[in-house]
Amino acid sequence: GEDVEQSLFLSVREGDSSVINCTYTDSSSTYLYWYKQEPGAGLQLLTYIFSNMDMKQDQRLTVLLNKKDKHLSLRIADTQTGDSAIYFCAETKMEYGNKLVFGAGTILRVKS
Amino acid sequence: DGGITQSPKYLFRKEGQNVTLSCEQNLNHDAMYWYRQDPGQGLRLIYYSQIVNDFQKGDIAEGYSVSREKKESFPLTVTSAQKNPTAFYLCASNDRGGSGNTIYFGEGSWLTVV
Repeated sequence: GEDVEQSLFLSVREGDSSVINCTYTDSSSTYLYWYKQEPGAGLQLLTYIFSNMDMKQDQRLTVLLNKKDKHLSLRIADTQTGDSAIYFCAETKMEYGNKLVFGAGTILRVKS
Repeated sequence: DGGITQSPKYLFRKEGQNVTLSCEQNLNHDAMYWYRQDPGQGLRLIYYSQIVNDFQKGDIAEGYSVSREKKESFPLTVTSAQKNPTAFYLCASNDRGGSGNTIYFGEGSWLTVV
């Protein structure tokens, strides 16, 4: 099965909060990442969290890490239409030179 | 500006033909990576290189080849042995000593078999 799992689709109204969830399997991962991909473009790093942290906030973005349950979430406050994209959760595999293992991505659709 | 440049953005390949995707970075990063993205799937690692003149197979290396003769360049060749090459290809790099070991991506290359 997949090392990193995400729900495939999330639809929210503009101005609401979005919460994208992710589960991972490698308890030795030191960093966990959230990337954003707009159509036909590369991946843009949104934020990352070190594994000894529970929470990280960066403007409208809040990352919560539950290491016991291997659960990571990304909350986007006051979601805007420009936030519509695919969001990827990723964990590091240290034995492969910091190889990133990605989830399948969550499509976020923001309705105005 | 520093970054990762992939070319071409769009490439068409005929059956039985080898094609090479270019990836150049001016970030002075040691490590470089090639990922393949298919619809509805996450990124899968094809090859990676942690240092010049060295590279390792990722999860789906069959039908691909790479070289790392220069620190800033990591071209990917899609050979005729790759039976289903139509995909979006992403090159990435990171500074292993950097904060968060952040990996940066290029804008990607679309490869289509015609």
